[in-house]
Amino acid sequence: AQSVAQPEDQVNVAEGNPLTVKCTYSVSGNPYLFWYVQYPNRGLQFLLKYITGDNLVKGSYGFEAEFNKSQTSFHLKKPSALVSDSALYFCAVRVDTGRRALTFGSGTRLQVQP
Amino acid sequence: EAGVVQSPRYKIIEKKQPVAFWCNPISGHNTLYWYLQNLGQGPELLIRYENEEAVDDSQLPKDRFSAERLKGVDSTLKIQPAELGDSAVYLCASSTTSVNEQFFGPGTRLTVL
Repeated sequence: AQSVAQPEDQVNVAEGNPLTVKCTYSVSGNPYLFWYVQYPNRGLQFLLKYITGDNLVKGSYGFEAEFNKSQTSFHLKKPSALVSDSALYFCAVRVDTGRRALTFGSGTRLQVQP
Repeated sequence: EAGVVQSPRYKIIEKKQPVAFWCNPISGHNTLYWYLQNLGQGPELLIRYENEEAVDDSQLPKDRFSAERLKGVDSTLKIQPAELGDSAVYLCASSTTSVNEQFFGPGTRLTVL
């Protein structure tokens, strides 16, 4: 079985400061990892993904994430937070074989204070 | 490019009534997904279609839920009869293949009274 853990329900950061949203995963097989963002009353928007290759993945809106196989982590980062980044962030994982269903974490609410 | 379209956006029904949700995926996307999202949780897959074939419906409660994608394009998810515990947001997503990232619609918020 595959699972995703987002240990923080909420992350607070001041505008202009760097932000990190944590994600760890558990799968049997090679993971495909994704980050999505959800704004109020809107669907999930794709931010970035790791399939293979470079462990540092760059995505939309200046976000990036680092795949760490030994720590089974895929933390989302941004060098300088904006108030408009305030939203709900979901990490998701699937494997490259078998059922291939995406498993989502429970989400982390990011609050960026002006 | 138009995104994934879902309707209705909101639905309020009484328990034991039927309800249906409609989804039109992004043009050219062969893979379509239905997810259920409870408040404060991540989405959970209900069913995945590859064209018109349901290739993964293991998490779909088949006693009351059904889905179809007859022509391999738009899809309908039905609940009959609805229960109080079905209150949630139902999300539709699509992708070009099952490998690539999924694009989500805005969802249908169902309230069962």
